[in-house]
Amino acid sequence: KAGVTQTPRYLIKTRGQQVTLSCSPISGHRSVSWYQQTPGQGLQFLFEYFSETQRNKGNFPGRFSGRQFSNSRSEMNVSTLELGDSALYLCASSTGGGSTSTDTQYFGPGTRLTVL
Amino acid sequence: GQQVMQIPQYQHVQEGEDFTTYCNSSTTLSNIQWYKQRPGGHPVFLIQLVKSGEVKKQKRLTFQFGEAKKNSSLHITATQTTDVGTYFCAAPFIIQGAQKLVFGQGTRLTINP
Repeated sequence: KAGVTQTPRYLIKTRGQQVTLSCSPISGHRSVSWYQQTPGQGLQFLFEYFSETQRNKGNFPGRFSGRQFSNSRSEMNVSTLELGDSALYLCASSTGGGSTSTDTQYFGPGTRLTVL
Repeated sequence: GQQVMQIPQYQHVQEGEDFTTYCNSSTTLSNIQWYKQRPGGHPVFLIQLVKSGEVKKQKRLTFQFGEAKKNSSLHITATQTTDVGTYFCAAPFIIQGAQKLVFGQGTRLTINP
């Protein structure tokens, strides 16, 4: 099976802009979770989508949003970018059929976002 | 607050030495997962422990889940340069009414060849 794919791999934006990141899960996986990884804060959970519905949400401002399509592909959007949004954004898929987000997470390669 | 404390934050060893990272929680965990992230890579699932006192081995890696299910450890015997990376533990917690997988801060392992 192909692994989790994320596009784009690298992105440079300026403050105030918005950005959309894309994630294609492993075939058959219905849950997609998004994480932000920074050197200072580690891996922070953003949200999880399952069957096109947001099932879980982390502690991030409303500028961070996402959605999931019927084919389980997911997008994450960040509006009004701030310098502090510079990070590696990781998408992870799981079967999702078990106890929500405690299923094994299969991570994609990530999108490295730099905000100038 | 941080639900899962992972120590040490950094560890540098000589190739061939052993390495251990610890994950601690103040609450009983239903299960714990371990991931490895190579430099420049993404986290890769290693193992999940569920039972009290469980011990699992993967070649030179030994994973333990404490009897009280509040702590876990990952021990690497005779490290090799391929072991370089950051090791994360992760466990589920109920936060704001929903179950979420919370990651420890990770232990970054570097090795002197």
